[in-house]
Amino acid sequence: DAKTTQPTSMDCAEGRAANLPCNHSTISGNEYVYWYRQIHSQGPQYIIHGLKNNETNEMASLIITEDRKSSTLILPHATLRDTAVYYCIVKEYGNKLVFGAGTILRVKS
Amino acid sequence: DAEITQSPRHKITETGRQVTLACHQTWNHNNMFWYRQDLGHGLRLIHYSYGVHDTNKGEVSDGYSVSRSNTEDLPLTLESAASSQTSVYFCASEAGTGGTYEQYFGPGTRLTVT
Repeated sequence: DAKTTQPTSMDCAEGRAANLPCNHSTISGNEYVYWYRQIHSQGPQYIIHGLKNNETNEMASLIITEDRKSSTLILPHATLRDTAVYYCIVKEYGNKLVFGAGTILRVKS
Repeated sequence: DAEITQSPRHKITETGRQVTLACHQTWNHNNMFWYRQDLGHGLRLIHYSYGVHDTNKGEVSDGYSVSRSNTEDLPLTLESAASSQTSVYFCASEAGTGGTYEQYFGPGTRLTVT
């Protein structure tokens, strides 16, 4: 599975949109982009995934560039409860999740 | 509501003892996983199972074993606990629609080996 690169940490003001970038320049055609997050001391939580089209659910939006070499997770109105480590994972159907270091998102009031 | 639970949530044990961590899910998922999480290493896969009587080794399987006798449970056993196995352990199960899967994680078990 392709590797991903994420910023170590980011800050966001409460109520504003949080935009978390992820680079995956070696992604192959069969690989999906997944986002999970882990709030302190809890188990990771699935957020969203996509292949090439932009996706939206009740938690977030996922924007994947046309060449699929990068993506952005958008939390439209960040709250203090969104403070967490966010993991961008690229994997092919049937393969296992491999977690990197992720991005620490701090939402500040 | 369907869920995934882990027990105990906290455990202190001595070096050399056998320890079993329980994981139970009520989604009827075929796939289940065990991870450990340590500072500086993130989440690492220990063992996984794709169905009853199926078990597979993950990245860091030495010193651990699993068995899958039914769909709902995947207990993790530390045969002879070592201080290096002090960690937070997470269990997960996997759902899938249209060939893509998302994993649902339990709340974790914090294990301390003294």
